[in-house]
Amino acid sequence: QSVLTQPPSVSAAPGQRVTISCSGSSSNIGENYVSWYQRVPGAAPKLLIYDNEKRPSGIPDRFSGSKSGTSATLDITGLQTGDEADYYCGAWDSSFRGGAFGGGTKLTVL
Amino acid sequence: QVQLVQSGAELKKPGASVKISCKASGYMFNTYYMQWVRQAPGQGFQWMGIINPTNGAATYAQKWQGRVSMTTDTSTGTFHLELSGLRSDDTAIYYCSRLNCSEGSCVGDYWGQGALVSVSS
Repeated sequence: QSVLTQPPSVSAAPGQRVTISCSGSSSNIGENYVSWYQRVPGAAPKLLIYDNEKRPSGIPDRFSGSKSGTSATLDITGLQTGDEADYYCGAWDSSFRGGAFGGGTKLTVL
Repeated sequence: QVQLVQSGAELKKPGASVKISCKASGYMFNTYYMQWVRQAPGQGFQWMGIINPTNGAATYAQKWQGRVSMTTDTSTGTFHLELSGLRSDDTAIYYCSRLNCSEGSCVGDYWGQGALVSVSS
């Protein structure tokens, strides 16, 4: 069972927008930064968002993140078939002093 | 550019040990902690621990205390994860991930390609 809670799957049509939620607690999301990762099967996970809303160099602005209280959200606009992947949220947990991750959300672009 | 290249897939019997390597390149080895994360079939990421490459000090998640060991080889720029007492539920992909920490924020900014460990009799 994952420390952070994500929906198992989301889907939308190409060009549309999708939102992936991530719920945690006061010891992780509530007091630490949230990051988001994209994992395509067979490839290394890729950092999409860090510090709640910042994008590493090379990540398009179609990907955006936000945080409110003990929850966070990843928004993807202008969906492309290449966005089909598993998405994971992560945050440091001050309670057990370690990394906390979500169970992952499978994005299907219909 | 930053690269983390992990060792290949392993097939082990229950009770055995496995040692996975992660060779780092493209940055100053001693500058960043390394974390290990695993993903079992159908599950999310599980954080296993981190290691400080400067002094080799490691912190492990309670779940694996006593079974896991993280080490570094500064001469080759390589990190190692060793897991003992393997069980079938240790079957997973094991990832190394560089931990970039600044101003109260820590994030895994680069990840290895993963090493599949299968445990079966």
